[in-house]
Amino acid sequence: AQKITQTQPGMFVQEKEAVTLDCTYDTSDQSYGLFWYKQPSSGEMIFLIYQGSYDEQNATEGRYSLNFQKARKSANLVISASQLGDSAMYFCAMREVSYGGSQGNLIFGKGTKLSVKP
Amino acid sequence: NAGVTQTPKFRILKIGQSMTLQCAQDMNHNYMYWYRQDPGMGLKLIYYSVGAGITDKGEVPNGYNVSRSTTEDFPLRLELAAPSQTSVYFCASSYWDTQTNNYGYTFGSGTRLTVV
Repeated sequence: AQKITQTQPGMFVQEKEAVTLDCTYDTSDQSYGLFWYKQPSSGEMIFLIYQGSYDEQNATEGRYSLNFQKARKSANLVISASQLGDSAMYFCAMREVSYGGSQGNLIFGKGTKLSVKP
Repeated sequence: NAGVTQTPKFRILKIGQSMTLQCAQDMNHNYMYWYRQDPGMGLKLIYYSVGAGITDKGEVPNGYNVSRSTTEDFPLRLELAAPSQTSVYFCASSYWDTQTNNYGYTFGSGTRLTVV
């Protein structure tokens, strides 16, 4: 069965520093997609970044980058130059095709709570 | 373009009561999903739909029902509410993004349900 593991329940980072949030995944599929979402205290799910299994380059979106190591089955999120507004829960997710037809369902890790210190 | 709209945002139910969580999207997405998020956990799939008239169970369907009579609406019905159904419920839709060649998922803002 497909699984996402986030081993850091909570992380602290100083404002303006970079931080890496860990994510490992388990799948036997050759084609899959990995996502990171941010959930602030207000509760909404905000899409941050996507990496396809066949993408050779690591994905980047502004201050977010995804360190994709396929052989290790890891997809770590790197946030550069942390800001106070980055304080939130962060979820790693993988597209799972066993539910949801051809577009698949997302399966989520338990999340990492990031706190940015001024 | 409102995206995915969920109502209500908050609700308190008594044990044994029933209610319907509403979800509507105006993006013409065929694929829609209902998730629940328990405290300190990620989201888990309750039900999904691949198009109007087609629904199927996800990982945690017990105690819930859905219908999909139109592309736009995907309501979630709770019958005989139980304390174990206290959770935050998210509706989502998915699409194939032709610009980025990625699958995209759009989430509603959630419904916080408490069963007492």
